Amino acid sequence: GENVEQHPSTLSVQEGDSAVIKCTYSDSASNYFPWYKQELGKGPQLIIDIRSNVGEKKDQRIAVTLNKTAKHFSLHITETQPEDSAVYFCAASYNNNDMRFGAGTRLTVKP
Amino acid sequence: NAGVTQTPKFRVLKTGQSMTLLCAQDMNHEYMYWYRQDPGMGLRLIHYSVGEGTTAKGEVPDGYNVSRLKKQNFLLGLESAAPSQTSVYFCASNLRWNEQFFGPGTRLTVL
Repeated sequence: GENVEQHPSTLSVQEGDSAVIKCTYSDSASNYFPWYKQELGKGPQLIIDIRSNVGEKKDQRIAVTLNKTAKHFSLHITETQPEDSAVYFCAASYNNNDMRFGAGTRLTVKP
Repeated sequence: NAGVTQTPKFRVLKTGQSMTLLCAQDMNHEYMYWYRQDPGMGLRLIHYSVGEGTTAKGEVPDGYNVSRLKKQNFLLGLESAAPSQTSVYFCASNLRWNEQFFGPGTRLTVL
């Protein structure tokens, strides 16, 4: 089955700096790669996703890149703000079924 | 719309007791999922359903049973709770090939 690895497990940045979180996956059949943000005491919430027919996707300060050959994808957050502090999860699946998640990255943005 | 709701929010069980967690969604979603979240391990899929009356095993199904008698409800049962089932349980739902929406979670402790 699919195996997703996520790095780093913790990340601390200064407000205004950029943050990058990286994930690798093992199953070349995976074609859907979402990123979720989880705030304390809440369920995960989708922030951006990418499908395997696209190499990059951007939504305001958030971008995701996908390298199918190397089987890795990354989340980029620019101009970070204190409210970006949360746990971020990457995931991979084939057609959005049987989603496998990374272990998570705790991002702290210092004011 | 309430989105995805979960009942109860918290529960403490003794080893060997049984309980049922209820998930309800009002978005007319076809697919529903049960995940567990443990520290340092991200979310792991327990069971999922692609429609009313259907269920399928996920990554960690042992010790759990599910039922989807109505499209809007997905029940997760623990027949004989074990300390290893102490976790936070999340339900999610989606339309096929679209974003999964998560509930707020149920924190279960098994003593």
